[in-house]
Amino acid sequence: DVKVTQSSRYLVKRTGEKVFLECVQDMDHENMFWYRQDPGLGLRLIYFSYDVKMKEKGDIPEGYSVSREKKERFSLILESASTNQTSMYLCASSLARRERGDTQYFGPGTRLTVL
Amino acid sequence: QQPVQSPQAVILREGEDAVINCSSSKALYSVHWYRQKHGEAPVFLMILLKGGEQKGHEKISASFNEKKQQSSLYLTASQLSYSGTYFCGTERTYNTDKLIFGTGTRLQVFP
Repeated sequence: DVKVTQSSRYLVKRTGEKVFLECVQDMDHENMFWYRQDPGLGLRLIYFSYDVKMKEKGDIPEGYSVSREKKERFSLILESASTNQTSMYLCASSLARRERGDTQYFGPGTRLTVL
Repeated sequence: QQPVQSPQAVILREGEDAVINCSSSKALYSVHWYRQKHGEAPVFLMILLKGGEQKGHEKISASFNEKKQQSSLYLTASQLSYSGTYFCGTERTYNTDKLIFGTGTRLQVFP
C-alpha cells in the first residue's frame, strides 16, 4: 500500500514565524503535491514537484515555497506565516506515468493555526 | 476551472440514498472520487474514465457523462461509515499529472 506521511498533525505558530511542513512517501513516486484545504473552497494546489529539485507553481503559490532534495521528501515552507495561512495542508504523491485507473495518494494532513 | 460539486452538504438517516454531483466547464478525460473522514487522509474511491462508463463498489457507484462534463456519485442504503467529505478530482487529458479538485460535499449519516 502507498504510504504518505506528514510530520505533524497539528501545528500552532505565530505570525511572522518560518514554518516547515514535511511530507514523505514510500512508493518511489515521481510526483508530489502540496494542497491547501479550506471549507467551501475544496482542495487548491499550492506547488507540484515532478522530480528532485524540480517544482512548478500551482494555483495559490503566493507566500509559500517548496523544497525537494530527495525523491521521497517534499517540504512546504511558509517564509513568514500569516493568519490567512491558517488551514489544513495536504500532501499527495503519484507516479509520473500513471496507469489507467491509478490516482494520487494523500497524507493525513497538517492542521496549521497561525496566531 | 475548479469543478463545482452539489450539494454542498447532505444529512441522511441510515438506509437513505444520496447523489453527489461534480460538474466541470471544461471537457474531461477522467474523474477521481475521494472520501475524507474528519482528521484522516482522503481515501480514493474510484476513477471514471472517458467513455461514459459507470462503476460500482458495494453500495457506492458512479457515472461519468462526458458530453455533460459531469460525474455523479451514488450512495445507496447509506451506512454510518459513509459520513465524511466527498470530493472529485478532474483530469482534462490523459496523464496530465495534476488533478483539479472540486469544492467538496459534506455527508452526515445519522442512526
